[in-house]
Amino acid sequence: EVQLVQSGGGLVQPGGSLRLSCAVSGFTFSDHCMDWVRQAPGKGLEWVARTRNKADGYTTEYAASVKGRFTISRDDSKNSLYLQMNSLRTEDTAVYYCSRVGVAKAYFDNWGQGTLVTVSS
Amino acid sequence: QSALTQPASVSGSPGQSITVSCTGTRSDVGGYNYVSWYQQHPGKAPKLIIYDVSKRPSGVSNRFSGSKSGNTASLTISGLQAEDEAHYYCSSYTRISTWVVFGGGTMLAVL
Repeated sequence: EVQLVQSGGGLVQPGGSLRLSCAVSGFTFSDHCMDWVRQAPGKGLEWVARTRNKADGYTTEYAASVKGRFTISRDDSKNSLYLQMNSLRTEDTAVYYCSRVGVAKAYFDNWGQGTLVTVSS
Repeated sequence: QSALTQPASVSGSPGQSITVSCTGTRSDVGGYNYVSWYQQHPGKAPKLIIYDVSKRPSGVSNRFSGSKSGNTASLTISGLQAEDEAHYYCSSYTRISTWVVFGGGTMLAVL
């Protein structure tokens, strides 16, 4: 069974930093691209970042809204995905989901449970 | 404002069928057969129900079906059940900026 279990998150002041983690099991982690998607309170889904798989050279991409502030990384030896968030802004307040990208790399076929990040003074 | 346009809400009675539309452009929905749909119940993570326009993941009810015509994709739910009440989001591969765009979501009420 595929599982994505998230940890991290919480309340942080504007300008602060936070690190999210996502531990996966039930599949060969290195075979898959992995993304972070967020959802502001009462709003829709927003793609945040991607780390590609081993075959695609582990390259990364970011949404314009977080580029230069957030860093996505992965440790295939620990079957874990991370999101380092720096210079946080109030508009980064959201539930963050880690997600496994499907084989065709155009959809998210498994999601973590989500973790709330609140940026407020 | 979301890149893909969905109606804010739709409703139907148990047993009926409803359709949710998702309108994009030739740069996303119209240009690729990479539309997917997600169901999200309150306080829960999204769940993939349709991918590649019309394919269903294992375990998803065949009451859910997807299609596309031009720049508009559609999700149809037949034989509505109370448990179908949720938010539904479409997404598509895009060749512009980010690799994926989402719709704003549609709230389905089963009356």
